[in-house]
Amino acid sequence: DTEVTQTPKHLVMGMTNKKSLKCEQHMGHRAMYWYKQKAKKPPELMFVYSYEKLSINESVPSRFSPECPNSSLLNLHLHALQPEDSALYLCASSQGWGTGEQFFGPGTRLTVL
Amino acid sequence: EDKVVQSPLSLVVHEGDTVTLNCSYEVTNFRSLLWYKQEKKAPTFLFMLTSSGIEKKSGRLSSILDKKELFSILNITATQTGDSAIYLCAVYEETSGSRLTFGEGTQLTVNP
Repeated sequence: DTEVTQTPKHLVMGMTNKKSLKCEQHMGHRAMYWYKQKAKKPPELMFVYSYEKLSINESVPSRFSPECPNSSLLNLHLHALQPEDSALYLCASSQGWGTGEQFFGPGTRLTVL
Repeated sequence: EDKVVQSPLSLVVHEGDTVTLNCSYEVTNFRSLLWYKQEKKAPTFLFMLTSSGIEKKSGRLSSILDKKELFSILNITATQTGDSAIYLCAVYEETSGSRLTFGEGTQLTVNP
């Protein structure tokens, strides 16, 4: 199974809402990533988890809060977002941090009204 | 500042043509270079290159890395309309933790 799954596929939220994005992989990978991708731009790294510990936070605003409950799951909690946060949010995983190819999930298309 | 530069940014060809996509990089502590294909949603992995001069091949796609000149190429032969996508080049570099830095991508359109 070389699949990374993400839910929901689409999400529309107001600036005062709290929502969560979920990501799951069953490949036994020990590194998981959150990326943000705006239209016609490459993915931008937000967070890296290695062995369930936060290893990189690319100076992401605190309205984005990652969580790694176990080695297969990665969440991104959203609160008080701004319209400019509207984007495709991609989750990825790899064998280890910085090693091996990263497999991407299908993404969550987020719209903030 | 580390960077990954792809060229051309866009390319329109006819079915059956052969295309060459370029990726040059300038990063400290290079580890490997990856190619991805992105259609509507998630990038799908194509190749990972670590050593110079060793061609990786998968069907009509092939890629090679030149670590001396700091570039890689992705070749697609006998293109098909299904090859239409954005092709992303990304480099693993090790600076305060390993990161995958992406280029801007090449938008390939294959017309019938």
